Amino acid sequence: EPEVTQTPSHQVTQMGQEVILRCVPISNHLYFYWYRQILGQKVEFLVSFYNNEISEKSEIFDDQFSVERPDGSNFTLKIRSTKLEDSAMYFCASSWTSWGAGGANVLTFGAGSRLTVL
Amino acid sequence: GQQLNQSPQSMFIQEGEDVSMNCTSSSIFNTWLWYKQDPGEGPVLLIALYKAGELTSNGRLTAQFGITRKDSFLNISASIPSDVGIYFCAGQSGNTPLVFGKGTRLSVIA
Repeated sequence: EPEVTQTPSHQVTQMGQEVILRCVPISNHLYFYWYRQILGQKVEFLVSFYNNEISEKSEIFDDQFSVERPDGSNFTLKIRSTKLEDSAMYFCASSWTSWGAGGANVLTFGAGSRLTVL
Repeated sequence: GQQLNQSPQSMFIQEGEDVSMNCTSSSIFNTWLWYKQDPGEGPVLLIALYKAGELTSNGRLTAQFGITRKDSFLNISASIPSDVGIYFCAGQSGNTPLVFGKGTRLSVIA
């Protein structure tokens, strides 16, 4: 079964440092997403990406965040200067269709990257 | 933004019992999804619902898309220890992002 893979599984960083989280979406998917989950809380939308540009972002996704698809397989989330409150599990997801396409739009999630900011 | 109210927050049940959890929203959704999250893993899709009134089963799991399109429930019959985890409802409408509920943490006592 195709899967979304994420690296690293866990990263510990000092406040103020830059972090890059990597994802390899399912190969024939066209839409890519980042969600985050603060410990014990719900999964929250950060950003969606299609055709090499951001299609939607939440208020959480401020100027400290950026996403990139540097090649044909990777999808990265960069946090420029980490803050304590950025500590969370970050999930990458991909889908074949967009939000509004109905039926076939099912997001497949990776196992997540746990970010701990000290 | 859109909010989903998921209940109960947590449940402790005996193995073999049936489980029911639900989600409500003040907004109408076109799609309801139910995911399960095991510790240290990402959410895994259990059931997808695309039509008001739709009742869909996946093994011992049954989920329904409410007629008003503002609610959905998930039932698990004859629970087993591997049902332990966090169950999330998620809703989506139009071109807005998939929104998740806060989850129901299920514990099964053997």
